[in-house]
Amino acid sequence: GAVVSQHPSWVICKSGTSVKIECRSLDFQATTMFWYRQFPKQSLMLMATSNEGSKATYEQGVEKDKFLINHASLTLSTLTVTSAHPEDSSFYICSARGKGPGPNYGYTFGSGTRLTVV
Amino acid sequence: DAKTTQPNSMESNEEEPVHLPCNHSTISGTDYIHWYRQLPSQGPEYVIHGLTSNVNNRMASLAIAEDRKSSTLILHRATLRDAAVYYCILRRGLPSGNTPLVFGKGTRLSVIA
Repeated sequence: GAVVSQHPSWVICKSGTSVKIECRSLDFQATTMFWYRQFPKQSLMLMATSNEGSKATYEQGVEKDKFLINHASLTLSTLTVTSAHPEDSSFYICSARGKGPGPNYGYTFGSGTRLTVV
Repeated sequence: DAKTTQPNSMESNEEEPVHLPCNHSTISGTDYIHWYRQLPSQGPEYVIHGLTSNVNNRMASLAIAEDRKSSTLILHRATLRDAAVYYCILRRGLPSGNTPLVFGKGTRLSVIA
């Protein structure tokens, strides 16, 4: 089945530094990737949608200059948290969707990245 | 997007069936009903989806009301590994196919040994 690999699984960084999270589709071409973040005890909140080769579309309230999304190939999308601050500490999850037989083609999620900013 | 309503939490004994309800009274004709679950510290995983007819797969069954305003996810024999947050999500079946899944609060299922 479809597999999405997300790295790193956890990262601790100092306040003010940048962190890059990678999301790779291992056995299919991901035409669309979605990035979510999840705070403790809360649900997943959509941050942005990216289509291969296009600029990402960000949800309202998500700073595009702070959360840089690159989807340069059909198998790789990256999320860079720039100038991270403690309030950016969260669980970040990617989801990939490929071409398929129709609108029901599956959404496959990565295992998530726990970011802690100290 | 049409909204779904689920109980915050449910509890089940191991080896017993579990029925997880979801109300979606504003569902439209082209909305598919998806169920995902999220185990602790992991990304969500697909469970099942359907449109109008009941669906079965190796993980679960999905029972959809005739008027489609509610559905029930059925785990036939709960195991400790089924303890997770279960999300019922409506997704419009647009041809473009790049609409995201929008997560509600879900139901936290606890399984007691």
